[in-house]
Amino acid sequence: NAGVTQTPKFQVLKTGQSMTLQCAQDMNHEYMSWYRQDPGMGLRLIHYSVGAGITDQGEVPNGYNVSRSTTEDFPLRLLSAAPSQTSVYFCASSYSSWGRTEAFFGQGTRLTVV
Amino acid sequence: TQLLEQSPQFLSIQEGENLTVYCNSSSVFSSLQWYRQEPGEGPVLLVTVVTGGEVKKLKRLTFQFGDARKDSSLHITAAQPGDTGLYLCAGSPEGTYKYIFGTGTRLKVLA
Repeated sequence: NAGVTQTPKFQVLKTGQSMTLQCAQDMNHEYMSWYRQDPGMGLRLIHYSVGAGITDQGEVPNGYNVSRSTTEDFPLRLLSAAPSQTSVYFCASSYSSWGRTEAFFGQGTRLTVV
Repeated sequence: TQLLEQSPQFLSIQEGENLTVYCNSSSVFSSLQWYRQEPGEGPVLLVTVVTGGEVKKLKRLTFQFGDARKDSSLHITAAQPGDTGLYLCAGSPEGTYKYIFGTGTRLKVLA
């Protein structure tokens, strides 16, 4: 089972460039989300989606766009990369049942903006 | 504003010692999850606590959910080097769909 597949694993961008981080899941989960993790820190929520066609902002949405055209895919777009966006990005797919939530994560994308 | 604050941020202890990690919020959570993350990997779920006052044990790890469902703790008995990692609490504040993580506690257990 693939679970959550994130690409690319590593990326270097120049300031001002744009790019899309890809995320796909095969678990048929309605809820997907994107996080960024700075060194030694917890994960901060960028954007999330509760189903196809529905997205909303998280804690740190500025500079990022998302779309959710299918249940499986949830790409994250950096509009104009800035050095402050250097981070590790995680995509997650999760389900909730009887108040219990479990999130499954991709391998992460290590992004450096120079 | 970070809704889930963890303390301590860093912890370095000797093998065999006990420790407690705290996860606090001013918001009520329907449930809280605890994850552990290894370097270069995504977080992996350890446990879910749902009911206020609930205590769950996972071998040497004991998890507790506060009575008001605003806080949680993780207690490790007789820590081992294999417990080294980043511990994260997570959950959705009641009334929201946002699934957020705590600030993290980095634990290092020395042999």
